[in-house]
This record gives sequence, C-alpha cells and structure tokens, in this order.
Amino acid sequence: SQQGEEDPQALSIQEGENATMNCSYKTSINNLQWYRQNSGRGLVHLILIRSNEREKHSGRLRVTLDTSKKSSSLLITASRAADTASYFCATDPLLAGKSTFGDGTTLTVKP
Amino acid sequence: GAVVSQHPSWVICKSGTSVKIECRSLDFQATTMFWYRQFPKQSLMLMATSNEGSKATYEQGVEKDKFLINHASLTLSTLTVTSAHPEDSSFYICSARPTGGISYEQYFGPGTRLTVT
Repeated sequence: SQQGEEDPQALSIQEGENATMNCSYKTSINNLQWYRQNSGRGLVHLILIRSNEREKHSGRLRVTLDTSKKSSSLLITASRAADTASYFCATDPLLAGKSTFGDGTTLTVKP
Repeated sequence: GAVVSQHPSWVICKSGTSVKIECRSLDFQATTMFWYRQFPKQSLMLMATSNEGSKATYEQGVEKDKFLINHASLTLSTLTVTSAHPEDSSFYICSARPTGGISYEQYFGPGTRLTVT
C-alpha cells in the first residue's frame, strides 16, 4: 500500500488565496519531498525537507514536517491560476533507497 | 542540468503487441532508474527499480515477464510492455538517480502515455 495519504483529495480556491495540503505517512523516514504534476505531464520537484527539519520555505511555498505525528503540510501562499495542478508528497523511508508517493491533492485555482 | 527524457511521449498499440519505452538521462549518469505507473487521477505506483548491469528489482504484484526492464548503459533504461492488453493503458514515468547521488535524489522524465486498443 502507499506510504503516504494526502488530504484533501481535491481543493478549489480563488486566485490570491492560500492553499494548504496535508500528507501523512506510516514509517520513519529520511526525508519528505513535495512534487507538482500538471495534467498529463511529468513531476516537478518543489521542495525537500529532512527528518531533522521542522519547516522550510521556498518562494511562495512553506513546508512543515512533524515526525511525531508522521505528517507534513504544504502551504502555497497567494495562489495563482498557474498553480493549478496535482501535488504529491513522497517519502524516503529509512533504508528503503526508494521513494513512495502519496495519493495526491488536486488543486484548482480559479482566476 | 539533470534532464531525463522519455521516448515516445505517447503511443497507441493494438492488444497483443509489445511496446518499448526508453528512459534516458541526458546530462548525467544513472546507475539506478525507477519505473512508475500512474492511472488517471491516481498516484504514482513504483513498478521496479532498474540497475545498470544487473537484473531489475520488481515491486510486489508486478509481473516481471510482462514488464521487461533492461538497463544496458548508465544513461538508458528501457521498459518493454509485452503482449499488451487494454488494462495496461496507463501513464508510465521513469526517474533517474545520479550515480553516486544521495538516496533521495532523483529526476523524473516527462512520462509516456500508453493506450492499448
């Protein structure tokens, strides 16, 4: 089964609003990554957060990680229509040497 | 840098035929490549880990005789879907891990959409 679960499954907001997506996972990890996928396209790496980090920023993106709760959140501030995409978290479980993806959140930003 | 290409980007084939998908790391060497399958509105499911010069490691439930993986060089891995059936229609994505890279470092290709009629 997939390592990660994300919620919500779908999120629809207006341009300018903030979007928050959550990811939960099951086993201890080395790191957690967030990716974006536009419809029918490959994945674009957004940000990586290591297991010893609690928060990380990159432009309009803010990622938090709570290893005690085995969860992470991705916040996109001041959203734009171009942010419309599916967002996936991927975990790198200890000793696994491979990433496992969550179910994804489909974000729609209305202009 | 760190570009991964896939060819073809889309393919339509008839049921019972075989289809080969290529994954290339264009500007780096990759001892390890990964093959994923993604059904519409679903997440990526890891199918197998491709290792240069050795046999691929398949995930549980993936038929190795149906999905043949060949990682013949440090820049090329191929996935052949043999005797394709309509249920094999999916989006196939590869990723490549740079040789000597850290465990989480991987770069994704743009994907190949396979439709089996």
